[in-house]
Amino acid sequence: AQKITQTQPGMFVQEKEAVTLDCTYDTSDPSYGLFWYKQPSSGEMIFLIYQGSYDQQNATEGRYSLNFQKARKSANLVISASQLGDSAMYFCAMREVDRGQFYFGTGTSLTVIP
Amino acid sequence: GAVVSQHPSWVICKSGTSVKIECRSLDFQATTMFWYRQFPKQSLMLMATSNEGSKATYEQGVEKDKFLINHASLTLSTLTVTSAHPEDSSFYICSARGDRVYGEQYFGPGTRLTVT
Repeated sequence: AQKITQTQPGMFVQEKEAVTLDCTYDTSDPSYGLFWYKQPSSGEMIFLIYQGSYDQQNATEGRYSLNFQKARKSANLVISASQLGDSAMYFCAMREVDRGQFYFGTGTSLTVIP
Repeated sequence: GAVVSQHPSWVICKSGTSVKIECRSLDFQATTMFWYRQFPKQSLMLMATSNEGSKATYEQGVEKDKFLINHASLTLSTLTVTSAHPEDSSFYICSARGDRVYGEQYFGPGTRLTVT
């Protein structure tokens, strides 16, 4: 079974609008971390935001917020006020603390339209 | 955030030669580093986990004799692609684990390898 599922291969959003990138995960470990990374065309992976499985509040980092719904095992990334520079691939990832494994989703390509 | 560098950023080599890629954590000590391979428009594929002072742990299907990993210090891990073939052409990315309990990873900028 897929550990991380990103069902949106491509997304478009108008500049200055908000966009939600979906991510669901599968784990039986009680302790895990959820991450979002951005990969622009240059190839580097940029760490955006992190959510721990025991964190009570949703993580926020500037224009990025993580909509964490533990019971549904979803960790959607919300980007507010989209900018042209946000156009990139976005990867959701999970690390299971007990196993120490790090899993990546297949990614979502976001295009911001002026 | 933490900074991880990778060198070279791109390399072209002839078939049959070996190529070494360096991964350095610049502002923190990384006991664990990871090496990934990424094909165009695909996700990252973990190749191996590199632990300082011990042998690397390779993922299933990755040839350890072909992809030699050395993690000699807390800030440096190297990946050597031996006897490279055109099918080894890919984007190779390293990452270093941070110090939070859940171990976020900070990635290097990647190395694009082309084998002719």
